[in-house]
Amino acid sequence: SAVISQKPSRDICQRGTSLTIQCQVDSQVTMMFWYRQQPGQSLTLIATANQGSEATYESGFVIDKFPISRPNLTFSTLTVSNMSPEDSSIYLCSVPTSATTDTQYFGPGTRLTVL
Amino acid sequence: GENVEQHPSTLSVQEGDSAVIKCTYSDSASNYFPWYKQELGKRPQLIIDIRSNVGEKKDQRIAVTLNKTAKHFSLHITETQPEDSAVYFCAASLNSGGYQKVTFGTGTKLQVIP
Repeated sequence: SAVISQKPSRDICQRGTSLTIQCQVDSQVTMMFWYRQQPGQSLTLIATANQGSEATYESGFVIDKFPISRPNLTFSTLTVSNMSPEDSSIYLCSVPTSATTDTQYFGPGTRLTVL
Repeated sequence: GENVEQHPSTLSVQEGDSAVIKCTYSDSASNYFPWYKQELGKRPQLIIDIRSNVGEKKDQRIAVTLNKTAKHFSLHITETQPEDSAVYFCAASLNSGGYQKVTFGTGTKLQVIP
């Protein structure tokens, strides 16, 4: 399966600031997915990032709040903008395990705390 | 959109007993159902999956069943061990705009008591 890294692994931020999370994969993938996991909760899809096109956002998530970049087939960033304490969550990227499978493999996650 | 419900939210079993987690989904177009295990502070990891053309799948102590008519699927863990203690998430996946969109259940915290 793919090796996925995320940076930073954790951060503590002040409200009103922004944080950019990086996701790096060791192989080329068409689709990359960004999820949010609030404390003690399930995983919620934020958006799907397809290289060469605008990200597709799920209901309740907007580009102004969560801008995403996908400059190439191995890298993506998610920015959490104008943060509030409600944004405190774990943010995970995921990729399909292969081009022919539906299975997704998750990165280690970024634990964000907003004060 | 797809809605996945998962029960129970917590489950405690004695070591060696079986554990069963049940999920229902709403969209009959869902065709792939993975199960993930998430240990504390770790990423979710796939433990087993099943596709809509299969009714049951087994991998050692873990099995999953799918009833498409009723739109429910279940995870069965036999001979539970303390290392099975974790949060388990079911999920339903369907093709949406050329990619598989995954919707997760709310999770079940399993505690295996030695």
